[in-house]
Amino acid sequence: EVQLLESGGGLVQPGGSLRLSCAASGFTFSSYAMRWVRQAPGKGLEWVSTISGGGATTYYAASVKGRFTVSRDNSKSTLYLQMNTLRAEDTAVYYCSKNSVTALNLGVADDSWGQGTLVTVSS
Amino acid sequence: QSVLTQPPSVSGAPGQRVTISCTGNSSNIGAGTDVHWYQHLPGTAPKLLIYKNTNRPSGVPDRFSGSKSGASASLAISGLQAEDEGDYYCQSYDDSLIAVVFGGGTKLTVL
Repeated sequence: EVQLLESGGGLVQPGGSLRLSCAASGFTFSSYAMRWVRQAPGKGLEWVSTISGGGATTYYAASVKGRFTVSRDNSKSTLYLQMNTLRAEDTAVYYCSKNSVTALNLGVADDSWGQGTLVTVSS
Repeated sequence: QSVLTQPPSVSGAPGQRVTISCTGNSSNIGAGTDVHWYQHLPGTAPKLLIYKNTNRPSGVPDRFSGSKSGASASLAISGLQAEDEGDYYCQSYDDSLIAVVFGGGTKLTVL
C-alpha cells in the first residue's frame, strides 16, 4: 500500500524559511516523479512543484519560482520542499503526491496523496 | 483566478445525477492535454477519481464517469450518496504556462 507522510509544517514569520519532508513507502520511490500541491485556507488546490524520479529535472509554479526548491533523497524514499522568503500568501496545507506513471510528464494524474502539513506564515 | 473554470457549487438529492464542468482554453484542454478529476472530502487526502479524461482507477465506483470535448471536460456522478459530499477538482497541463493547472474546485452538496 502506498503511503505518503508529510511533516515539517508550522508557524513561521514572513521572510523566514521552512523545509517540508514527505516520507514515502509502498512503491519504488525512485521510479516516480513526485509533486507538491498546496491548498490555502478557503481556496482550491494549487500546483507548487514537480521533480523527476532521479531528481535531475524540476518544475515550479511561477508563484514560488526562485523561493522554493524541491529535492529528493531516493536512498531514504523522501521528498523535500525547501521554502525560503516565505510570504503570508504561502500559508496553506502542503500535500505531496505521486505521479501515476513512471515517465516524467507534467500532464499525468497523481494516484496517491498524503494527508498534508500546515504551513502558517504570520508575524 | 484559476486557469480551468469550474462552477463553485452543485447540488442534488440522493439518487440523482449531477455533472461538474471544467472549461479551459487552447493552451490546455483545447490543446489535447488530458483531464483528471479528484475528490477531496473534508479532513482527508485528495483522491484520484478519473484519469486521462474517462478512466476510473480500480476501486472507484462506476457511478463516477468523465468525458471531454474540445476545450471542456465534465465529471458526472450518478446515484448520489451522502458520502459524495465534498469538493471536486479537475486538473490538466498548460503548455503555454508549462504548468500543472487545477480548476477552482466545485463543492458538491447532497440535499
